[in-house]
Formats: sequence, C-alpha cells, structure tokens
Amino acid sequence: RKEVEQDPGPFNVPEGATVAFNCTYSNSASQSFFWYRQDCRKEPKLLMSVYSSGNEDGRFTAQLNRASQYISLLIRDSKLSDSATYLCVVTGGGGQNFVFGPGTRLSVLP
Amino acid sequence: DVKVTQSSRYLVKRTGEKVFLECVQDMDHENMFWYRQDPGLGLRLIYFSYDVKMKEKGDIPEGYSVSREKKERFSLILESASTNQTSMYLCATTGGISYEQYFGPGTRLTVT
Repeated sequence: RKEVEQDPGPFNVPEGATVAFNCTYSNSASQSFFWYRQDCRKEPKLLMSVYSSGNEDGRFTAQLNRASQYISLLIRDSKLSDSATYLCVVTGGGGQNFVFGPGTRLSVLP
Repeated sequence: DVKVTQSSRYLVKRTGEKVFLECVQDMDHENMFWYRQDPGLGLRLIYFSYDVKMKEKGDIPEGYSVSREKKERFSLILESASTNQTSMYLCATTGGISYEQYFGPGTRLTVT
C-alpha cells in the first residue's frame, strides 16, 4: 500500500462547479498535512496547510480526519484558473520527511 | 520571497556521462531536498540535507549522490547517467518553524 493515496482523476468539471478531492495516508504518526498545487510544467506550490479543526481560504476548504487518516480539499465555484494537479502531502514532523501523493488532475471547462 | 534556482531547465546527456544538477536558495534554509517526478509516480525523494556536509538518503538514492558544501547550495550528481534517470528533477527547501516546501523550477533531464 502506498503511503499517500489520492483519487486518480482526472476531474473534468464545468466552471462554477464544486469539486472535492480525497487523500488517505497510511502512517498514523504523521503530524502535518498540506495541499500543493502544480500547474502544467511548473513546480509545486503550497496551496494550504490542513489543520485538525479544518480550515478555509476563500473558495478552498481543507479538512483532516485523523481517526480515518483522511484529508480532503473542497473547491467551490471552480474557475478556469483552478485547472492544475493537486498534490496531497504528509509529513512526520521535523520539516524533513515529506511524502507526496501522486496528485489529482483537475480541468475546469468553460 | 524565497527564491530557489536550479542550474538548468532542460538538459540532454548521453548514457554513462557524469551529470551535475545544482540548486541554490537565498533564504538561509537549513533543509534542502532533491526529488524526481515521473508520470503516475508523483514526487519521490532522492536525498535531503539538513545542514552543511550532512545528507540523508531518501526513498530512491541508488545511482545518485549529493554534495552540500555551503548552506545555500545543494548539488545532485548522477555518477553514470542511465536512460532510466530521464525525469524531472526538483529541488526544494524548508526552514524555520514553517514546514512549507519551496521548490525550484525543475530540471528536465533526458538521457539518451
């Protein structure tokens, strides 16, 4: 079993749609969780950290369920500019051991 | 703004050549990482370094070595390039209390 797994995608959604991505991790000792965004042929960039209480940043909401070892990302009112690959990232702490999921590709269609 | 630069965006090398990929960061970060990214496999950690002259193997270190002689510079070395090392190579850093990873633009290496 892979350490971090994500929905395989791709997700093709119309503008304005709400889309949710899921991520599961296998290491119960994991401490910090993130969503990164990677545009085509570009480097990954941090989208948001994921906190136990859940957190929201504009149209984006991230949630963490430690008991189920599950992370989610919800995007509301999708924009064309949201088209990218979304990477789930888990770390055990110490800022050194990062494990990346394979990513889920999103295409928002006009 | 953190800036992470990589020596080349695109590189073509022949099988058996020695290849150097360099990464430089300007934020005085302690931790530096080398990943490779392949379709369907995601990012896989090759090596990381948490201080000058310190290095730790990641998940796929075979065929690679690294060097960190200065805090701002982390080099990845392919001692004898092979075609299965054709990939996108990404350097990243973290530092301080933040676990945010800052990535360089990547080097797309093709070994023929």
